[in-house]
Amino acid sequence: GENVEQHPSTLSVQEGDSAVIKCTYSDSASNYFPWYKQELGKRPQLIIDIRSNVGEKKDQRIAVTLNKTAKHFSLHITETQPEDSAVYFCAASGGTGRRALTFGSGTRLQVQP
Amino acid sequence: GAVVSQHPSWVICKSGTSVKIECRSLDFQATTMFWYRQFPKQSLMLMATSNEGSKATYEQGVEKDKFLINHASLTLSTLTVTSAHPEDSSFYICSAPWAGAETQYFGPGTRLLVL
Repeated sequence: GENVEQHPSTLSVQEGDSAVIKCTYSDSASNYFPWYKQELGKRPQLIIDIRSNVGEKKDQRIAVTLNKTAKHFSLHITETQPEDSAVYFCAASGGTGRRALTFGSGTRLQVQP
Repeated sequence: GAVVSQHPSWVICKSGTSVKIECRSLDFQATTMFWYRQFPKQSLMLMATSNEGSKATYEQGVEKDKFLINHASLTLSTLTVTSAHPEDSSFYICSAPWAGAETQYFGPGTRLLVL
């Protein structure tokens, strides 16, 4: 089955700096890669996603890049703000027709004011 | 965006009792829903795929007789934790794909504490 690895597990940045979180996946058939933000005790919220036919996608301060050959994808947050502090999860789905998401282990991002 | 609700939001029960959690898609129909479990400071782990009108598909290591899933309609899936034990204490979250697409929307989760 699919295996998703995520790094780093924790990330601390100064307000205004950029943050990058990286994930790798194992199933070359996976074709959908969402990123979720989860605040303590709350549901995961979709912040951006990318499909395998696209190499990069941007939404204001958030961007995701996908390298299908290397089977890795990254989340980039620019001009970080304290409210960006949360746990971020990458995920993958679509391999062998699988619609369920396989999640990475999560990255705790802390933005220092 | 699509809305998924869960009920209850939290529950405390005694060891040995059963707990039912409901997951509803409020503004769309979902032939498939997913149940995840999240332990403190850990990631979401898929437990099972709930299929409307047919049996659920369980992930390896998840006991189907302990975690009963019923997808009664196109907007409702239920997860029943039978004979709950303290080790079942966790955050249970359901999700549903909107309009048959890949995008999944999560319910608010149910925090279960088994004493």
